[in-house]
Amino acid sequence: DGGITQSPKYLFRKEGQNVTLSCEQNLNHDAMYWYRQDPGQGLRLIYYSQIVNDFQKGDIAEGYSVSREKKESFPLTVTSAQKNPTAFYLCASSILPGLETQYFGPGTRLLVL
Amino acid sequence: AQKITQTQPGMFVQEKEAVTLDCTYDTSDPSYGLFWYKQPSSGEMIFLIYQGSYDQQNATEGRYSLNFQKARKSANLVISASQLGDSAMYFCAMRVGDGNQFYFGTGTSLTVIP
Repeated sequence: DGGITQSPKYLFRKEGQNVTLSCEQNLNHDAMYWYRQDPGQGLRLIYYSQIVNDFQKGDIAEGYSVSREKKESFPLTVTSAQKNPTAFYLCASSILPGLETQYFGPGTRLLVL
Repeated sequence: AQKITQTQPGMFVQEKEAVTLDCTYDTSDPSYGLFWYKQPSSGEMIFLIYQGSYDQQNATEGRYSLNFQKARKSANLVISASQLGDSAMYFCAMRVGDGNQFYFGTGTSLTVIP
């Protein structure tokens, strides 16, 4: 089945620790995205990538980093510089160019211990 | 600047009734796509329906239809014959031109009452 997988489903971070959220897609999509969602809120764009080895900052990139070494993979690292990382993180992908929809993974809930 | 506005934080509907969720958008690009997504309590975002700016007909997908009024820049979602499983957050979104960014509204929480 084609789709987007995210792991882990739940992630716990200790103070001062970097953690990495995984996102993999087998839809052969060029573009991939990371969003943050706080309780009761909408989606805010962290980073997006149009092509391998290239990515752009979104609205709230501070304290986060990404890589795009393969078309299928777009991991997100939440660094210790992100002081309030507790949130729900959604990964998505879409075809480029065009006006097609995004498809989303199931999400990762990050909690700070 | 691109913007999506959803003015209804919460809505209630009786089971089997129809409900309309409002969405207005702002863009100066003549080419854009409008989307609705459903987010149940489990968190996944489910794509529901798409409307292109050049589409002459309103989009329909089963019980979902999109009331597209281009002059008013509105793209309201209509859910017919509401079911208990329709209770969720609903997000309106827009993609512009050949852009790779999606712009989301703040969402509407729909509760279906038995």
